Amino acid sequence: KNEVEQSPQNLTAQEGEFITINCSYSVGISALHWLQQHPGGGIVSLFMLSSGKKKHGRLIATINIQEKHSSLHITASHPRDSAVYICAVPYSTGNQFYFGTGTSLTVIP
Amino acid sequence: NAGVTQTPKFQVLKTGQSMTLQCAQDMNHNSMYWYRQDPGMGLRLIYYSASEGTTDKGEVPNGYNVSRLNKREFSLRLESAAPSQTSVYFCASSRSLGETQYFGPGTRLLVL
Repeated sequence: KNEVEQSPQNLTAQEGEFITINCSYSVGISALHWLQQHPGGGIVSLFMLSSGKKKHGRLIATINIQEKHSSLHITASHPRDSAVYICAVPYSTGNQFYFGTGTSLTVIP
Repeated sequence: NAGVTQTPKFQVLKTGQSMTLQCAQDMNHNSMYWYRQDPGMGLRLIYYSASEGTTDKGEVPNGYNVSRLNKREFSLRLESAAPSQTSVYFCASSRSLGETQYFGPGTRLLVL
């Protein structure tokens, strides 16, 4: 049983397209995290959110606590957005995370 | 600020050899973590340290030991490497448990 499910697993888009990546979770949470892993392997935290919506540049993250669902949107996608996007939620104890297996995004020029 | 640094970047070991992966952070974070990442699987927590002086097992601790040397440094030791430990290892830190984590660049380990 996976506590965190992401969809799609793989996504290919044309440059400029609007992209949505979904994350569903089965546990009660205090906050949800979105991470980005670049092709070179480096991992960067994008967002931590517990309600509503957060925006950073062309990236928007939303969360619906009642539905246990979060989405990561990328507007006007660019090849440099090509990466694996990972959703993570903390254990109820807060000491560890459940990680999704990631969504691999490729943006074609 | 360097953030989170890891050494080495890449290592090849023979089965049975030992090695220590080093991690250091300069953000004055209390919590530090060691993860492994394998193809097709999400990040899996090996050990974590909530604060200086404490360490706890994560999801996959077997075959590993850790030391929280001080607030800055958190090392991961493989006493007798096995091929199943071939993986990419990431160190991370956060201000406290559950907060935004900052990751190191990773160490690619190949055990033959």
